[in-house]
Order: sequence, then C-alpha cells, then structure tokens
Amino acid sequence: DADVTQTPRNRITKTGKRIMLECSQTKGHDRMYWYRQDPGLGLQLIYYSFDVKDINKGEISDGYSVSRQAQAKFSLSLESAIPNQTALYFCATSKGTGMGNEQFFGPGTRLTVL
Amino acid sequence: LAKTTQPISMDSYEGQEVNITCSHNNIATNDYITWYQQFPSQGPRFIIQGYKTKVTNEVASLFIPADRKSSTLSLPRVSLSDTAVYYCLVGDIGSGYSTLTFGKGTMLLVSP
Repeated sequence: DADVTQTPRNRITKTGKRIMLECSQTKGHDRMYWYRQDPGLGLQLIYYSFDVKDINKGEISDGYSVSRQAQAKFSLSLESAIPNQTALYFCATSKGTGMGNEQFFGPGTRLTVL
Repeated sequence: LAKTTQPISMDSYEGQEVNITCSHNNIATNDYITWYQQFPSQGPRFIIQGYKTKVTNEVASLFIPADRKSSTLSLPRVSLSDTAVYYCLVGDIGSGYSTLTFGKGTMLLVSP
C-alpha cells in the first residue's frame, strides 16, 4: 500500500552492527505494527504501538527496540544485528482494532545479516 | 490467542471456486476472524473479516458456522492472479493479545 512506506527496501549488514528500519504512513492511523517474516513462514509480531505514547512488545521482541517519533513514524532498531535476524520486515498500520479495522502493510524491508 | 490450523497448500484451476477452511477450536467470544492474501515479497492485503454467519464482499465470501470453531474463505471463479498465500487470523489485538501471528497460511496455486 503506497500510504505505508518503508526505508530502506533492502539492507545488507554485518553481525554486531546497529540497524534502523523506518516506517512512515500517511493514512492518519494511530496504530502501527512491526512484523518479521522468515522464508516460507507466516508473519510474527515484534512490537506494536497504539499511539505515540504507547509501545507494546509482541511475540518476538527480544533483540529489537522501537521508537514512535510521531503518529506517522514508527522505527524498528536492531541494536546488535545477528544472522538469525535475517528476514523480511513489514510495517503495518490500522485505524483501530476490532471489526472493520484492517491492517495496511508496507512493501517490506529485506534485511540480510552476514 | 486462538490457534488456527489451515491446509498448507491447495491447487485449483482458473474459473473454479476455491474454499479454504481454517480451524480455530478455542476462539474467544470477542475474537474476530480475518483473512489476508500475500503475494511473494509483498505485504499481506486484507481480504475479508467476520464474526459470525456469512460475510460477502466484492472479492470473497466468509462462512462462519454457529459454533465459530472454523471458518471458510470462498473465492469464486479464481484466476491465475489469485495464486498467493492466504492467512487466517483469529483474535483482536485490541484485546491485549501480544502474540498476533499469521501462521504459515495456505499456498493456493491456480493453474490454467
């Protein structure tokens, strides 16, 4: 969805490096999410934020941190990247939760940690 | 969070109707059922969502029996472009769940 953008789209880095993935949205949604997807598997939730003052851990938050700089921006950081963090990372937004509040996904960032 | 079970893969031909069933035996009262479609290297895209009975939109129908322990996504007259992975999600992240996962989904292959 063009309303949700992610930068960079591809990144190759080395073990131990700090990496930041950025997500921006123009949908005006309060809620934002970070997922990772490993090859052949589904998406797993890393962190989610219901507003700029609210950050929540997802299922696999270890090794990651996030920052909600504004309603429109939600960044994911890998403080010290390791090879098993090689994956496709997706940012998503939603207006709310519950019935009718679908998630809108960005195009993804492909991260390779050597 | 209610665990879901879907077939790993399904095959179909153009023009056929495809039904993908998802089992969610421990669905909670407040849980919704949502289906997403994902093409390779793209983010998932919302297809349909429901709570009970039947829901229909311009691309699919969702059938949910009274006990809500399963749901069936129905894609009428599929085309080659419907080849994708389909995920069934059950739950509502607003209810405080921290383990919203898409599972492995169902890989649908549509052939000419």
